[in-house]
Amino acid sequence: AQKVTQAQTEISVVEKEDVTLDCVYETRDTTYYLFWYKQPPSGELVFLIRRNSFDEQNEISGRYSWNFQKSTSSFNFTITASQVVDSAVYFCALSEERDKLSFGAGTTVTVRA
Amino acid sequence: EAQVTQNPRYLITVTGKKLTVTCSQNMNHEYMSWYRQDPGLGLRQIYYSMNVEVTDKGDVPEGYKVSRKEKRNFPLILESPSPNQTSLYFCASSQLGAEENGYTFGSGTRLTVV
Repeated sequence: AQKVTQAQTEISVVEKEDVTLDCVYETRDTTYYLFWYKQPPSGELVFLIRRNSFDEQNEISGRYSWNFQKSTSSFNFTITASQVVDSAVYFCALSEERDKLSFGAGTTVTVRA
Repeated sequence: EAQVTQNPRYLITVTGKKLTVTCSQNMNHEYMSWYRQDPGLGLRQIYYSMNVEVTDKGDVPEGYKVSRKEKRNFPLILESPSPNQTSLYFCASSQLGAEENGYTFGSGTRLTVV
């Protein structure tokens, strides 16, 4: 069973539009960690954020923000005022067992100028 | 600089020719893992290791071998590669018991088996 579901396979927006990437996870553990990674066209994985299951505070980092809701098992990611450099594949991931990361299938974001 | 180093970055090989992808980390991490990335499937774990001489299967171990003779190195071995192993491979490491510190990934190895 898929532990991390990213409902959107691809999203295409025009520059300056906001874009929200959905992430729904499944776990029975009370302690777990959630991550978002960015994979630009060059292929490397760039760490964006880590959130533990006890910290439901939303976070903002520049144009990026994250909304963590345990009640709906969701950890959504919003890019505000998107730019062409935001074009990438974005992965949501869950760590529940000791040191195993389960990834979603990824969402490809294309920002058009 | 703390990092995970994979080599090579790109590799094209023929079916059946044994190959090794190397992975080395300089952070003294106990945990190391290999993932493969395929379109529409995200990253899936192949093998992982909790410490020297301790390895275990992940979700997609068939056709792969690993070894952990030293703490810093965790090579991925394809004894008889097949075209369905064409993929992008990532090595990762982390500190056991410090999940809050997250994972460090290598830059990836793009493997093509023809």
